[in-house]
Amino acid sequence: KQEVTQIPAALSVPEGENLVLNCSFTDSAIYNLQWFRQDPGKGLTSLLLIQSSQREQTSGRLNASLDKSSGRSTLYIAASQPGDSATYLCAVPANQAGTALIFGKGTTLSVSS
Amino acid sequence: DAGVIQSPRHEVTEMGQEVTLRCKPISGHNSLFWYRQTMMRGLELLIYFNNNVPIDDSGMPEDRFSAKMPNASFSTLKIQPSEPRDSAVYFCASTRDSSAYGYTFGSGTRLTVV
Repeated sequence: KQEVTQIPAALSVPEGENLVLNCSFTDSAIYNLQWFRQDPGKGLTSLLLIQSSQREQTSGRLNASLDKSSGRSTLYIAASQPGDSATYLCAVPANQAGTALIFGKGTTLSVSS
Repeated sequence: DAGVIQSPRHEVTEMGQEVTLRCKPISGHNSLFWYRQTMMRGLELLIYFNNNVPIDDSGMPEDRFSAKMPNASFSTLKIQPSEPRDSAVYFCASTRDSSAYGYTFGSGTRLTVV
């Protein structure tokens, strides 16, 4: 059974710092991996999706990498800003047939000004 | 498009009462998912539909939970009778043709059972 783990559970950094969030999964036979952002009291917003054939994806200050063989993904945030404060969750498909997702519990990021 | 719309945003009910949560997916999205989020267990899939047909309901915790999708633009999640341990945030999400792209969540319903 696929399990997704995110470490650390919480992270506090000063504005301007570069940071890395970690995600690991137990079954490397994944089709893709997705990173989401959740603001307090809100739903989830998809940030980046990496297909299994890709090594990384970039969007602005965000860069996500994927290493299937080791069962790991990282989300790199450059030059962090207070507006980046949120919970970041990674997710992988539950099976090959559909897009029901299995989520990690997330890393709550706080960026202080 | 207004996105995935869920109602109500908040629900407080007494133990034993029936609770109905509602979801309107994005127009054109034919896959719909219900998730539950708690501090202890994180986000868990309850059930998902494809073209209005339930595909996997293995995450539905008990017979007290039921979900329907009578048409492409509406789904309900019902809990009867409700219990305090059902307190959580319930999210609905939708996507098109089982694609991982465009996976869109609603704002959720925060359910409190007292």
